[in-house]
Amino acid sequence: SAVISQKPSRDICQRGTSLTIQCQVDSQVTMMFWYRQQPGQSLTLIATANQGSEATYESGFVIDKFPISRPNLTFSTLTVSNMSPEDSSIYLCSVETGYGYTFGSGTRLTVV
Amino acid sequence: AQSVTQPDIHITVSEGASLELRCNYSYGATPYLFWYVQSPGQGLQLLLKYFSGDTLVQGIKGFEAEFKRSQSSFNLRKPSVHWSDAAEYFCAVGGPGTASKLTFGTGTRLQVTL
Repeated sequence: SAVISQKPSRDICQRGTSLTIQCQVDSQVTMMFWYRQQPGQSLTLIATANQGSEATYESGFVIDKFPISRPNLTFSTLTVSNMSPEDSSIYLCSVETGYGYTFGSGTRLTVV
Repeated sequence: AQSVTQPDIHITVSEGASLELRCNYSYGATPYLFWYVQSPGQGLQLLLKYFSGDTLVQGIKGFEAEFKRSQSSFNLRKPSVHWSDAAEYFCAVGGPGTASKLTFGTGTRLQVTL
């Protein structure tokens, strides 16, 4: 199965600023998925990123708030823009390689 | 729309006792089903998955799960729980293909008493 390197692992940010999270996969994958896990909650899909096209966002998530880049088949970034304390969550990327879904180790974001 | 229900928010078992975590799913076709474990401050680790074939699936750490189509269930079991199994367990459903997204249940927090 694929190995995902996600960074940063954690960050504390001021409200109103932006944070970009990176995921690097050790193999080429068609789709990358970005999830949010709010404190004490389950995972919610933010968007699906396909290389060469705009990401597809789930209901309740918009591109202006969570812009995503997918410049090639092994890399993607998620930016959390104009942050507020409500954005404090764990953000995870994921890929599916035919053997199951693999997740990055997550980025624990705290907005103060 | 696909969905997953984990009816037990919190379960406490004694070390050495057996464990069953419940999962019910809704999916329009043959589902791909997964169980993940998340220890405090850790990422998600895949315990086991069901794609097709034998409905009893063996996973890591001594876990197994049984797919029952008639009951739309995919319950996770372990015959003897260890203290290190204390964690959050998530059931998830998806479909075939790399473009399919996963939908997660709300999770079951397992506490193990010594």
